[in-house]
This record gives sequence, C-alpha cells and structure tokens, in this order.
Amino acid sequence: AQSVTQLDSQVPVFEEAPVELRCNYSSSVSVYLFWYVQYPNQGLQLLLKYLSGSTLVESINGFEAEFNKSQTSFHLRKPSVHISDTAEYFCAVRGFQKLVFGTGTRLLVSP
Amino acid sequence: KAGVTQTPRYLIKTRGQQVTLSCSPISGHRSVSWYQQTPGQGLQFLFEYFSETQRNKGNFPGRFSGRQFSNSRSEMNVSTLELGDSALYLCASSLEVGRTYEQYFGPGTRLTVT
Repeated sequence: AQSVTQLDSQVPVFEEAPVELRCNYSSSVSVYLFWYVQYPNQGLQLLLKYLSGSTLVESINGFEAEFNKSQTSFHLRKPSVHISDTAEYFCAVRGFQKLVFGTGTRLLVSP
Repeated sequence: KAGVTQTPRYLIKTRGQQVTLSCSPISGHRSVSWYQQTPGQGLQFLFEYFSETQRNKGNFPGRFSGRQFSNSRSEMNVSTLELGDSALYLCASSLEVGRTYEQYFGPGTRLTVT
C-alpha cells in the first residue's frame, strides 16, 4: 500500500528566505507524486507533479521538487518565499484509483 | 474551462439529520472522487466514481454514500449525522488520461454538525 510522510507539521520562515518542505513516500508500484497547496478556506490546488522523466519538476510560481528514488523522497523547495506563500502544503502519491495524502505542512512566512 | 464546483459551500445540520452534497466536475472529466478533511484525521478518501460506477471506496461507514449521474455530476449523502462528521468535504475530478490520475479539486463544502 502507498503512504506519505510529511515530518514537519509547521515550518516558520522569514520572507525572502529559502524553504524546504519534506516528503517521503512508500509505494510498491510505479510512482506518481504530487504537491498540492491549500490556502485558508479554499480547496486544494495542484502545485506540481512528477509522473516520469526529469526528476526535477517546477511550478510556475517558483517552487520545485526533486524525485529521489533511492531516498524515496519528493521534497519541495523554494529559494525565496513571499508572504503570499503562507498556506498548507500536501504531498500525495497515487494509490489505487485514489490519491494518498500526507498530513500536511503549514508554511508560515513572516516579514 | 470552469473548475470543479461544489454546492453548498457551507452547511449546518443537527445530529441525526441527513445531508446531500453536490459536485460538478470540470467539463470532460469522467472521474469524480470525494475526500473528507478534518484537523485530526487529515485528508481521507471516501469514494471514487467513473462513468456512474463506484470504482473504489475508502474506510467509512455505510452512512456515507454517493452516486454519479450520466453528465458526470456527483452527489454524496451522509445519513444519521454525527458530531464527528463535521469536516470539509472535497470533491476532485480527473480526466483519466493514461495513468496520470491528476486530480483537480473544488473549493469544498464545510459541514458543521451540531
């Protein structure tokens, strides 16, 4: 069965600092990985995805994630965060006809 | 293209009542999934429908049910509501192209049971 572990429940960071949100997965089948972002009182928005090919994937707003098969990780990074990046971030792995989510990491960006 | 829409956005019900939530997927998407989000349990999969058939079901009691119509719109029903059913219910649709299973979520329905 597939599972996802997000070790950090909350990550505080100052504006313009770099950030890394950690995600480790467990899967016995082909791996499809996703990062979703949830802003307050909203649904989930797809941030980026790894399906195959290049292990480094990027989003349009400066986030990137690297698929590391040997370490079973898919960490999310951004070199310089903005106040508007404050949100909850969920890592997910494709299970059998469903997504299996981690418990989420709340990113708190302060001035 | 319009995104996934869910109605109503907010709902307050009393214990013992039943509730029906509605979800309209992105045009052309045939797969609809439902998730329950709570602070304690996180995001939990409820069920998934494809072409009006339930293909997968999560570990929820039989009080939770759903259906999908020929136009891919979906409803979920919760009967005999309990306080613990208070949650954000999210619907997601998928095009099901190949094996990507990329899902797009609606804004959710916030259900409060008193």
